[in-house]
Amino acid sequence: DGGITQSPKYLFRKEGQNVTLSCEQNLNHDAMYWYRQDPGQGLRLIYYSQIVNDFQKGDIAEGYSVSREKKESFPLTVTSAQKNPTAFYLCASSILTRTGGNTEAFFGQGTRLTVV
Amino acid sequence: DAKTTQPPSMDCAEGRAANLPCNHSTISGNEYVYWYRQIHSQGPQYIIHGLKNNETNEMASLIITEDRKSSTLILPHATLRDTAVYYCIVRANFGNEKLTFGTGTRLTIIP
Repeated sequence: DGGITQSPKYLFRKEGQNVTLSCEQNLNHDAMYWYRQDPGQGLRLIYYSQIVNDFQKGDIAEGYSVSREKKESFPLTVTSAQKNPTAFYLCASSILTRTGGNTEAFFGQGTRLTVV
Repeated sequence: DAKTTQPPSMDCAEGRAANLPCNHSTISGNEYVYWYRQIHSQGPQYIIHGLKNNETNEMASLIITEDRKSSTLILPHATLRDTAVYYCIVRANFGNEKLTFGTGTRLTIIP
């Protein structure tokens, strides 16, 4: 089935360790996004990418890094520089189009990261 | 990006129509209105989108004012499963810009 997959669903790490969250899509989408969600809050954009080997910072990029070596993959690394890494992380993808049309975003089911 | 304003929370009785408003007074001519919803601890799900005409699909209806400065998402017969956070966003329909969500409206369906 086509879709976007995040793994793992739950992740625990010790403070000071870097951790990488996986996001894979087989929808042939050019654009991919990473969001952070804290309890009772909306989604905040961390990074986004519109093409392989290129990405842009979102609103809260500090303490995070990404790569886009393949179209279908957009892993997010939460570094030790991120002061409050415990959160729910969501990945999304969407098409890019020259002519307009539905560019709805498809979301993964999220990774809940807990740093202790 | 044009910004949107939504009420933080709303209640609706089960079986009644749920009407969720959204203000987007700075929307530009090439921006569409999109609605998503997020059920607790899941990824958001696309509901509907539109440019200036009213739209309807199997999930909901979208009413956009003539000046496009506001819109209303209508769930015609709300069920308990419609309890979720609903996000209204505006986006140019080429997909080549960052996709920004606000805080949404928490809709609670009352039995």
